[in-house]
Amino acid sequence: GQQVQQSPASLVLQEGENAELQCNFSSTATQLQWFYQSPGGSLVSLLSNPSGTKHTGRLTSTTVTKERRSSLHISSSQTTDSGTYLCAIPGGLSGKLTFGEGTQVTVIS
Amino acid sequence: NAGVIQTPRHKVTGKGQEATLWCEPISGHSAVFWYRQTIVQGLEFLTYFRNQAPIDDSGMPKERFSAQMPNQSHSTLKIQSTQPQDSAVYLCASSFTGAEQFFGPGTRLTVL
Repeated sequence: GQQVQQSPASLVLQEGENAELQCNFSSTATQLQWFYQSPGGSLVSLLSNPSGTKHTGRLTSTTVTKERRSSLHISSSQTTDSGTYLCAIPGGLSGKLTFGEGTQVTVIS
Repeated sequence: NAGVIQTPRHKVTGKGQEATLWCEPISGHSAVFWYRQTIVQGLEFLTYFRNQAPIDDSGMPKERFSAQMPNQSHSTLKIQSTQPQDSAVYLCASSFTGAEQFFGPGTRLTVL
């Protein structure tokens, strides 16, 4: 089945710094979603980006489908960006999501 | 739009009791998914409905777990004879078929 790997597992940022999170997947994907989860919180869909580059606010996602990788760039980080960022790929006939293990981001002031 | 609604937000059961979790998908969405999240296993797919019909339950434990979608406005996940290892956050998501999935806040189940 589909495998999704994220890196780094965790990182600590000084407020205002930028960060780039990586997601690699094992099979061709027709869809890719980035999620944010605050500690004890629900999954919030950030971007749906199967290919190319998409922006929302301070977030930019770039997916290179043929290389089976995607990145999420956070610019000018804020303490409220702290949490876990998850990458997910749909698979099978149902489109059920396979998630990576996430990148835990901590932004300190 | 209220988003995906899940109730209850927290549920505590004793070992051997039954737990029923509820999900109301976003109006108009044809696909409903159930997932489970634990620290050890991460996020795991459980089951999927399309237009209320059960399509894929490959992630459901074979015993004690069942899911239904009696109408387009709600789905239930039932766990019979709950065990401590069933403790997890159970998440419901909905989408248009083949599109971006939107998640509810989850139900945190604790089995004592």
